[in-house]
Amino acid sequence: AQSVAQPEDQVKVAEGNPLTVKCTYSVSGNPYLFWYVQYPNRGLQFLLKYITGDNLVKGSYGFEAEFNKSQTSFHLKKPSALVSDSALYFCAVRPLRDSASKIIFGSGTRLSIRP
Amino acid sequence: DAGVIQSPRHEVTEMGQEVTLRCKPISGHNSLFWYRQTMMRGLELLIYFNNNVPIDDSGMPEDRFSAKMPNASFSTLKIQPSEPRDSAVYFCASSLAPHNEQFFGPGTRLTVL
Repeated sequence: AQSVAQPEDQVKVAEGNPLTVKCTYSVSGNPYLFWYVQYPNRGLQFLLKYITGDNLVKGSYGFEAEFNKSQTSFHLKKPSALVSDSALYFCAVRPLRDSASKIIFGSGTRLSIRP
Repeated sequence: DAGVIQSPRHEVTEMGQEVTLRCKPISGHNSLFWYRQTMMRGLELLIYFNNNVPIDDSGMPEDRFSAKMPNASFSTLKIQPSEPRDSAVYFCASSLAPHNEQFFGPGTRLTVL
């Protein structure tokens, strides 16, 4: 069965510092991996995805994520955090070749950037 | 493009009443998803359609919930009868295909008294 874990409910970082939001997954075969962001009272917004190719994926707002097959991880990173990055972040996974399988979202990590 | 459109944005109703939530996906998207979000349970996939056909409704909590997609540009999620534990934010999302990134609507905040 496929699953995705976000081990940290909350991450707090000072503005200007690098940030990492962790995600690990379990899926049969190769995965599609996604990151979404949710601002207060809004729907989720797509940030970036990994399908195949380069393990480092760049997305919106200066975010990037690194696919690590051996560690089954897809951590979200940003070199320098902004206060405006404060939001709820979701990792999601879906098997690459299983057309009938649905996407599974993690429980979310609340990112707080202090000025 | 206007993005995914949901209506109403807020709904307050009394227990036992029928509630209908509406969604218009992005034009050209073939997949549509209904989610429910609560503090306790997080984000839950209720049902998804591909080419207007329900593919997986295993997340629908019980028979009080039903969803339809009569055409490519419209879907409804109905709760009948509604209960206080149905109070949540309900999101609709669409994508080009089931494996593509999803675009979410603004959500409908449902309160059942």
